Amino acid sequence: DAMVIQNPRYQVTQFGKPVTLSCSQTLNHNVMYWYQQKSSQAPKLLFHYYDKDFNNEADTPDNFQSRRPNTSFCFLDIRSPGLGDAAMYLCATSGQNEQYFGPGTRLTVT
Amino acid sequence: AQKVTQAQTEISVVEKEDVTLDCVYETRDTTYYLFWYKQPPSGELVFLIRRNSFDEQNEISGRYSWNFQKSTSSFNFTITASQVVDSAVYFCALSEPTNDYKLSFGAGTTVTVRA
Repeated sequence: DAMVIQNPRYQVTQFGKPVTLSCSQTLNHNVMYWYQQKSSQAPKLLFHYYDKDFNNEADTPDNFQSRRPNTSFCFLDIRSPGLGDAAMYLCATSGQNEQYFGPGTRLTVT
Repeated sequence: AQKVTQAQTEISVVEKEDVTLDCVYETRDTTYYLFWYKQPPSGELVFLIRRNSFDEQNEISGRYSWNFQKSTSSFNFTITASQVVDSAVYFCALSEPTNDYKLSFGAGTTVTVRA
């Protein structure tokens, strides 16, 4: 039944050690999003894909990269995580203006 | 400028009380979409409702109801007879074609329902 799947749900990485978060969807939606959400804040859009077209938000740090090898999968790569990158990372998909979110991956940086 | 304003940061009620969450938005688009999402402590954002700008009909879904008032740019959400399971952060969001349909979130309102 799961429509937007994120793995892992909890990720611990070390300061400066690259980490990849994954998202997959069974909805066949053409748009996929990555959000960062810090404690007590609203989700903040990092980037999104319209099919294979990548759209970066102006204030997304270069430390964050993304890949979308096919319609179903999308990855978030954090090249050198800092303590400030500890957050919940939410993936979402959209087909008809509604965004459906995955359960999120909570990233801890030690 | 903040496009979506949720003036209430936190609301605490006793079970069975009604609670209304305010949402005021700002847009120059004539076509736009409004949303409410629920985020329980587990962290997942749960879609509750989408309303497009041409549909001002109020909606009721079980204990949830929404009041869309275009004249005041508001899209308020009421939980009737609240339950402990309603405890969560609730986000109002706006989607505009001139912003590529990206979601602009309000700051969220934390609802705590006490038994």
